[in-house]
Amino acid sequence: QVQLVQSAAEVKKPGASVKVSCKASGFTFTSYDFNWVRQATGQGLEWMGWMNPNSGNTAYAQNFQGRVTMTRNTSISTAYMELSSLRSEDTAVYYCARVQIGSRSHGMDVWGQGTTVTVSS
Amino acid sequence: SYELTQPPSVSVSPGQTASITCSGDKLGDKYVFWYQQKPGQSPVLVIYQDGKRPSGIPERFSGSNSGNTATLTISGTQAMDEADYFCQAWDSSLVVFGGGTKLTVL
Repeated sequence: QVQLVQSAAEVKKPGASVKVSCKASGFTFTSYDFNWVRQATGQGLEWMGWMNPNSGNTAYAQNFQGRVTMTRNTSISTAYMELSSLRSEDTAVYYCARVQIGSRSHGMDVWGQGTTVTVSS
Repeated sequence: SYELTQPPSVSVSPGQTASITCSGDKLGDKYVFWYQQKPGQSPVLVIYQDGKRPSGIPERFSGSNSGNTATLTISGTQAMDEADYFCQAWDSSLVVFGGGTKLTVL
């Protein structure tokens, strides 16, 4: 079935980096853009950026410019999000979500299960 | 940067109609999307292109968008609809989410 399966929870120390994966199955990986959205406990959804898996083109939210990198491996239908210089405020659940490629008229119709990233010394 | 504003909470009695608003400058010129999120779960798309329902979303969910305000309407609200709801729009190539509205069914 159509699904996005994310990597397991991570615990990192301040200043470290984390790389979260998002493996797609049940659909054509290169037909969708991949967004990353995070949510701190009890807070709202915060968009981080998106990546086009064909071109590798990305767009990042201003809040994450310089700290986030989104990449992909099309041979294994997997998208990645790496966040560097982690601080305690980065503790959150990180989601990947697909959007029909290049579309501004379709929403994020499939979401991963979320990956909890905890930043603690 | 573009902002979307939602009320923090809305309450509704079972069987009644719930309306959740999302406000932004000239929002009616953009498509609005709505997501439902229940505790411990990933968000689910319930409305796209202002008022269309994805497959599997009950007919009681509807949406509209005009001027500066988009509205998610849930008719005949059920206990299972109690959740957080987030609106979303595109600002050029960037995604913007509203702050979210907690819908309480009581």
